[in-house]
Amino acid sequence: EVQLVESGGGLVQPGTSLRLSCVASGFTFDDYAMHWVRQAPGKGPEWVSGITWNSNKTGYADSLKGRFTISRDNAKNSLYLQMNSLKPEDTALYYCAKGYWFDSWGQGTLVTVSS
Amino acid sequence: EIVMTQSPATLSVSPGERATLSCRASQSVNNNVAWYQQTPGQAPRLLIYGASTRATGIPARFSGSGSGTQFTFTISSLQSEDFAVYYCQQYNYWPQTFGQGTKVEIK
Repeated sequence: EVQLVESGGGLVQPGTSLRLSCVASGFTFDDYAMHWVRQAPGKGPEWVSGITWNSNKTGYADSLKGRFTISRDNAKNSLYLQMNSLKPEDTALYYCAKGYWFDSWGQGTLVTVSS
Repeated sequence: EIVMTQSPATLSVSPGERATLSCRASQSVNNNVAWYQQTPGQAPRLLIYGASTRATGIPARFSGSGSGTQFTFTISSLQSEDFAVYYCQQYNYWPQTFGQGTKVEIK
């Protein structure tokens, strides 16, 4: 069974940083691209970032303006999202998702940016 | 960035009836469109990929069609568990983008 377990969320002040993690199991992690998707309260999903299986290609939502960095460690079956200069509008539930289309999702980790 | 526009925003349907949802892309995304269902408190669930291929375990009452810029998602006979919000997504280009969603509610 595929499992994606996110962690690292929390309540932080604007301008600070946070690193999210996603640990994968139940499939061959380094066969798949992986993504971060966020969902603000009452809103639809928003793709944040993606990374190919070998980390050769990464992509980001235009709205992020270079503040976030995606990475992965295939030896640890783990995906990461380094989030810097956090803003209140980054408040959302952050999901990791598997594959070219997102056939599996975690349950998410909540990030709240507030003073 | 590709804009995905879904219509209608809300669809009121009686159980057993057919529901048809639309999604339009601001430019061609070939057939690289997926459809997801989301119920309250849950992560989105993949229903359709490649515009028309049902994901593993998805019942046959769910179907998708289209290519290029115009896509349709149909639930042939609504069951109680199908009342939810549905999102289309294009994965042809990065940044990938979602539609704003269609809420299917009980009439």
